[in-house]
Formats: sequence, C-alpha cells, structure tokens
Amino acid sequence: SSELTQDPAVSVALGQTVRITCQGDSLRSYYVSWYQQKPGQAPLLVIYGENNRPSGIPDRFSGSSSGNTASLTITGAQAEDEADYYCNSRDSSGNHLVFGGGTKLTVL
Amino acid sequence: QLQLQESGPGLVKPSETLSLTCTVSGGSISSSTYYWGWIRQPPGKGLEWIGNIYYSGSTYYNPSLKSRVTISVDTSKNQFSLKLSSVTAADTAVYYCARHEDIAVAGYDAFDIWGQGTMVTVSS
Repeated sequence: SSELTQDPAVSVALGQTVRITCQGDSLRSYYVSWYQQKPGQAPLLVIYGENNRPSGIPDRFSGSSSGNTASLTITGAQAEDEADYYCNSRDSSGNHLVFGGGTKLTVL
Repeated sequence: QLQLQESGPGLVKPSETLSLTCTVSGGSISSSTYYWGWIRQPPGKGLEWIGNIYYSGSTYYNPSLKSRVTISVDTSKNQFSLKLSSVTAADTAVYYCARHEDIAVAGYDAFDIWGQGTMVTVSS
C-alpha cells in the first residue's frame, strides 16, 4: 500500500471546480508534485513545489497543502482535463519517493 | 529541447534480468541540477517509483525493489540504465525514465520530463 492516499475517482461538471486530494504524514514536511496522465500517454507534470506550474500548464491548475493533505484544484474544468492524476512526494523517512494510488477524474 | 527515450527488450523470461536503457538527447546527463529516475506502471494500475541516480553515480532505490534493482549511468553516452533481476509476471509493466528535480538540489521533488515509456512483458 502507498504512503500517499488518493480517492480512486472524482467527477466534476464541465466548467466547475474540482479538488483532488492526497493524504500522507510525510506531507507535513515535504512538497507534493502532481501529474496528469491520459490513456496511452506518459505522465505530465502539472504542479510542483509550493504551487508552481511548468510552462504550458493552464492557470486553472493550482496546488495547495494543509497539514497532512495536499490538494490539486482545477478551476473551471475542461473536457480535456479528464485523466488520471497522481501525487508524488517523499515517504515518511524522507529517503525515498512514493506515488499516490491515483485519482480518475471524469468531466461530466 | 531535452528528450528521453527508453530502449530494451519487450519480452523477458521469468527469473531472468530485465535491462533497459534511457538515452538523453538535447541536454547533458551530467548536469549538476538533476537526478534521473525510473518509474513503472503495471497494466491498469498506478505509478511506482523504482529508483534515481545522479550523474556522479549516487543512487537511491525503492526499498521494496532494492534487493533486485541496479541503476547505473554512462555519462560518455548520455545514458542511464536499469537492471531488475529475478523477474516475475508481477514485473510486467510500462517502464518510464524521467528527469528528476531532487529536493537535495532544487528544494522540491518533481519528475519534469518523461520518456514515452516502454512495455516489458515477463513471460516464458
């Protein structure tokens, strides 16, 4: 089992706001990065560090963290945002990396 | 623009060693800013981090795979490689290589550039 816990599935109406969460004790100490993966494609980094977006990632994607929970928020979800989303951070020892189990986002 | 490309056999027999190479183009693997990592994804499942390497050869691995994994780097060829020994069907997965911004250097962790992935099937 992963040290980072994500809800398996989340849905959002087109144009609405959705929050995808990632829980883990290590998140009290370490930043999380978020990845979007569409079928048949490699993961794509969408959020890293405190709340940074790589070049080309729309500003409707944002990240936040409080206590042991990190969140990826999509404000005004688009049809093309339908994908699997994974969080990644350090484990509780801080010496290794770990991915969350992933959240399948459906845009209705 | 930096690109990564995985290569290696798509079929490996049980108990044998899986060997993959990641070739980095458009930039130097010897950059002091980055680590380089392997991640895998079994069919229909989530991502699993395998391990990372620095250009100097320093490595760290997933504890659950550490006894079977070796990651090495060849700076002269701008490549890094993965060896996974004693494979079973559970090692069947898409294997990705990626560039990693490591907390030790960048202050945060992030796999910012990924290869397209290569499917490896373990079967006799």
